[in-house]
Amino acid sequence: DTGVSQDPRHKITKRGQNVTFRCDPISEHNRLYWYRQTLGQGPEFLTYFQNEAQLEKSRLLSDRFSAERPKGSFSTLEIQRTEQGDSAMYLCASSFSVGTEETQYFGPGTRLLVL
Amino acid sequence: AQSVTQLDSHVSVSEGTPVLLRCNYSSSYSPSLFWYVQHPNKGLQLLLKYTSAATLVKGINGFEAEFKKSETSFHLTKPSAHMSDAAEYFCVVTPSGGYNKLIFGAGTRLAVHP
Repeated sequence: DTGVSQDPRHKITKRGQNVTFRCDPISEHNRLYWYRQTLGQGPEFLTYFQNEAQLEKSRLLSDRFSAERPKGSFSTLEIQRTEQGDSAMYLCASSFSVGTEETQYFGPGTRLLVL
Repeated sequence: AQSVTQLDSHVSVSEGTPVLLRCNYSSSYSPSLFWYVQHPNKGLQLLLKYTSAATLVKGINGFEAEFKKSETSFHLTKPSAHMSDAAEYFCVVTPSGGYNKLIFGAGTRLAVHP
């Protein structure tokens, strides 16, 4: 299967700990997105990369959040000093952008629970 | 600013009856519109997309949606519901002419009863 993969699928951590999530996009996809989905809501945009460049960050992405895509392939999302409000599903999506035509393909998500 | 409003948080139908999930959008630009489906413990899957071509868009699994600019609507329909259609459905908008984030509605949970 060559879809978007995310690791881990589930993460339970204690408040104040740091966590890191990984996303492997579909091969050759030049764009990679991170979204956050809380219970009963639609996903909300966090940030996106064009190759290795981070081009946009949401105001939802506080200073405790950092994302990287060092070689334009996989990406990591780190949350430092986690808070209970960080509990959510973190979704990754990738796409191949040609002009204005683009379709984002989503991974299964990482469910984070902060105790 | 772009936004979408899904008019029903829950829809319940009987198997074999039609499905209608309603979505209104707001966009300053000529929008691209999508419907995604999310089954429990699975990733979001694209059902269909509208990108200023035909206003009636056909998607996977028998779903279709019609773009109505005058009504700013993009309702999702299916003639006959199947048990496997039970899931969460999201209407999504993004401005055309340059691409970035998807803007999701709050979702509609579809229940299908035997």
